Amino acid sequence: DQQVKQNSPSLSVQEGRISILNCDYTNSMFDYFLWYKKYPAEGPTFLISISSIKDKNEDGRFTVFLNKSAKHLSLHIVPSQPGDSAVYFCAANKYNQGGKLIFGQGTELSVKP
Amino acid sequence: DAGVIQSPRHEVTEMGQEVTLRCKPISGHNSLFWYRQTMMRGLELLIYFNNNVPIDDSGMPEDRFSAKMPNASFSTLKIQPSEPRDSAVYFCASSRGVDQKLFFGSGTQLSVL
Repeated sequence: DQQVKQNSPSLSVQEGRISILNCDYTNSMFDYFLWYKKYPAEGPTFLISISSIKDKNEDGRFTVFLNKSAKHLSLHIVPSQPGDSAVYFCAANKYNQGGKLIFGQGTELSVKP
Repeated sequence: DAGVIQSPRHEVTEMGQEVTLRCKPISGHNSLFWYRQTMMRGLELLIYFNNNVPIDDSGMPEDRFSAKMPNASFSTLKIQPSEPRDSAVYFCASSRGVDQKLFFGSGTQLSVL
């Protein structure tokens, strides 16, 4: 049972444009969400997070939006840069439950110059 | 800080052999996690420790898998006997307290022939 789903395995975007990566979850008990970025031959690195008391969190070019009623979150990257090309994982958990994160399958983003 | 250190980076072995993966968490982090990444299942949590004590091993696939954390700076994941379906990238991650921002190592690419 896939509790966190990223239905797009890949996404291609032109440099300078917006990248939108989507994530859906099924467990209504989840109340903390994270995005991780992974380059080849490296481990995932933390990018941005959001708790369920918010519907938006912004950090520079990266913004995460949370729609609790739809059990959906998205990561926006504006403007996209070639260095953003990587696999992006969405993860979810109950807040204050430690690192027992449930990850999505990942979306491979390719930003073309 | 050196980050989470995993060894070996690559392991190629024959079916039936014992495999031991090693991890050194970030100093001061008291939670340690073993994740496995496969094409089919994505990133899945195998086991996690808090203060060197296994808290949740429900993700360990079967009795062939075992994990130990003899002290705060070292953990092992052992597979005995190994099977071709164990081929995957195994990641170790650590965090401080109940912080869900995990820091991952670079992973061990395991190939069982």
